[in-house]
Amino acid sequence: GAVVSQHPSWVICKSGTSVKIECRSLDFQATTMFWYRQFPKQSLMLMATSNEGSKATYEQGVEKDKFLINHASLTLSTLTVTSAHPEDSSFYICSAMPGLDYGYTFGSGTRLTVV
Amino acid sequence: DAKTTQPPSMDCAEGRAANLPCNHSTISGNEYVYWYRQIHSQGPQYIIHGLKNNETNEMASLIITEDRKSSTLILPHATLRDTAVYYCIDYIYGGSQGNLIFGKGTKLSVKP
Repeated sequence: GAVVSQHPSWVICKSGTSVKIECRSLDFQATTMFWYRQFPKQSLMLMATSNEGSKATYEQGVEKDKFLINHASLTLSTLTVTSAHPEDSSFYICSAMPGLDYGYTFGSGTRLTVV
Repeated sequence: DAKTTQPPSMDCAEGRAANLPCNHSTISGNEYVYWYRQIHSQGPQYIIHGLKNNETNEMASLIITEDRKSSTLILPHATLRDTAVYYCIDYIYGGSQGNLIFGKGTKLSVKP
């Protein structure tokens, strides 16, 4: 079945540093990928839509200069959290749709802790 | 905001059927009902989806009312590994790739 691979699974970084999260579609091409954020005991909130070869579309309230998205190929999207702060600590999840006959497939998520 | 409403939590005995309800009274004619679940600290997992007919796969059954304003996800023989948060989502299928909007879901606890 269609697989979305997300790395790393967890990361701890110091405040002020940047962290890159990768999302890969392993057996299908994804012109569009989605990035979600989930705080403890809350639901998933869409952050941005990543489009291959063009700029990402960010949801209201999400800082595009802080959360840099690059979708340079049909199988890879990256999310970089720049100048991370403790309030950016969260669970970040990507997703893509393998095709119209499938539901969205999600990555396993990345637990970011900023200390 | 999510267009569906679900009970915040439910319990189910292991081996029994788990019936998870969802209200989607404002669903439009071209919107499908999708169900996902999220086991703690993992990404959501697709379960099943349907438009107006009942659907069944290896994981679950989906019963949609005739007026399409509500649906029920049925896990026929719940196991401890089915403990998760279950999300019911309305989604326009086949159009441009819009995103999934998650509500708060139902936290299902399967107990021995």
